[in-house]
Amino acid sequence: KQEVTQIPAALSVPEGENLVLNCSFTDSAIYNLQWFRQDPGKGLTSLLLIQSSQREQTSGRLNASLDKSSGRSTLYIAASQPGDSATYLCAVRLLPYSGGGADGLTFGKGTHLIIQP
Amino acid sequence: ETGVTQTPRHLVMGMTNKKSLKCEQHLGHNAMYWYKQSAKKPLELMFVYNFKEQTENNSVPSRFSPECPNSSHLFLHLHTLQPEDSALYLCASSQDSKRRDAEAFFGQGTRLTVV
Repeated sequence: KQEVTQIPAALSVPEGENLVLNCSFTDSAIYNLQWFRQDPGKGLTSLLLIQSSQREQTSGRLNASLDKSSGRSTLYIAASQPGDSATYLCAVRLLPYSGGGADGLTFGKGTHLIIQP
Repeated sequence: ETGVTQTPRHLVMGMTNKKSLKCEQHLGHNAMYWYKQSAKKPLELMFVYNFKEQTENNSVPSRFSPECPNSSHLFLHLHTLQPEDSALYLCASSQDSKRRDAEAFFGQGTRLTVV
């Protein structure tokens, strides 16, 4: 069964710092990996999607990398701002018919990020 | 503004009530999903529909009953729920669930409280 772990569970940093959020998964037979942010009481906003054949994706101040063989992904946030404060979720989609896998996303518990003004 | 809309946003129901959650997507996607988010736990996949066919029922109790009349609409029918079913219920959609580039988009969720 696929398990997704996110470290750290919580992080508080001053505004302007660069930071890295970590995600690991136990089954490397993934189709893709997706990073989301979630504001309190709200739904999920998609940030970046990395297909299994890709190594990284970039969007503005965000850069996500994927090392499928080691089961790891990182989300790099440059020049953090108070508006970046949220919970960041990592999720993987298993290969279809990979046996025991769900035909949807498997999520980690998230990293709760606070950017101090 | 998300292309996935969920109603209602908040719902309080008794254990003997019957209610339904509604989800609608305007993204032209062919796959729709229900997830449950409880405190201190990762999001849990409940049901998946791909081209209106249910492809996943992730060991969900029968008191939760999904319905997907077309690729744009998804319902979750609720009856005789338990207090532990209180959670945020999230709907999502994507292109074909078996595509490598299938990016999932989520609605704002329905906050369900069972009393």
